[in-house]
Amino acid sequence: QKEVEQDPGPLSVPEGAIVSLNCTYSNSAFQYFMWYRQYSRKGPELLMYTYSSGNKEDGRFTAQVDKSSKYISLFIRDSQPSDSATYLCAMPYLVDSSYKLIFGSGTRLLVRP
Amino acid sequence: NAGVTQTPKFRVLKTGQSMTLLCAQDMNHEYMYWYRQDPGMGLRLIHYSVGEGTTAKGEVPDGYNVSRLKKQNFLLGLESAAPSQTSVYFCASIRRRSGTSTDTQYFGPGTRLTVL
Repeated sequence: QKEVEQDPGPLSVPEGAIVSLNCTYSNSAFQYFMWYRQYSRKGPELLMYTYSSGNKEDGRFTAQVDKSSKYISLFIRDSQPSDSATYLCAMPYLVDSSYKLIFGSGTRLLVRP
Repeated sequence: NAGVTQTPKFRVLKTGQSMTLLCAQDMNHEYMYWYRQDPGMGLRLIHYSVGEGTTAKGEVPDGYNVSRLKKQNFLLGLESAAPSQTSVYFCASIRRRSGTSTDTQYFGPGTRLTVL
């Protein structure tokens, strides 16, 4: 079992739809949860992050963490074709004081005009 | 600032050939990382460096070597390329502020490597 699981998709939705992207994880020690967005043939870029449980909103994006279920979500409201990308969840952790990130495999999202 | 740059963008190798991928960052970041990205596998850490002159193994280090002689550069070498090393390689860097866990990793644009 992978430490971080993500449905690879693709997820295809019409423009304006609400999108829900999800990750599950197995390590209860994770405290921070990040979402990266990766456009085709580009490097990932940080979209937003949350700490512990709860919600965090940034414009059309909302990140949600449920630590009791080890489940995190990213919601996109009023989705746009420009949101078409692969979304990766990531969790930072320390090993021997070295900072690393563990990534999910990513969910590919296609927003149809 | 150029951020994180990678050279080359594309490369095709024959089995057994060697090559070096160059990553450069102009943000004075301490940490640098090399990942490979394969379909369905996500980003997997190959090697990383916590500062100039230091390197450490990641999740999938076999068949790769790295060097960080200068703070701004992180080189990834393939001594004898194999078809299993066909992948997209990403370099990333982090400033690493002490005591925080939300440092942003800045990624380069990637190098697409095909080994025939």
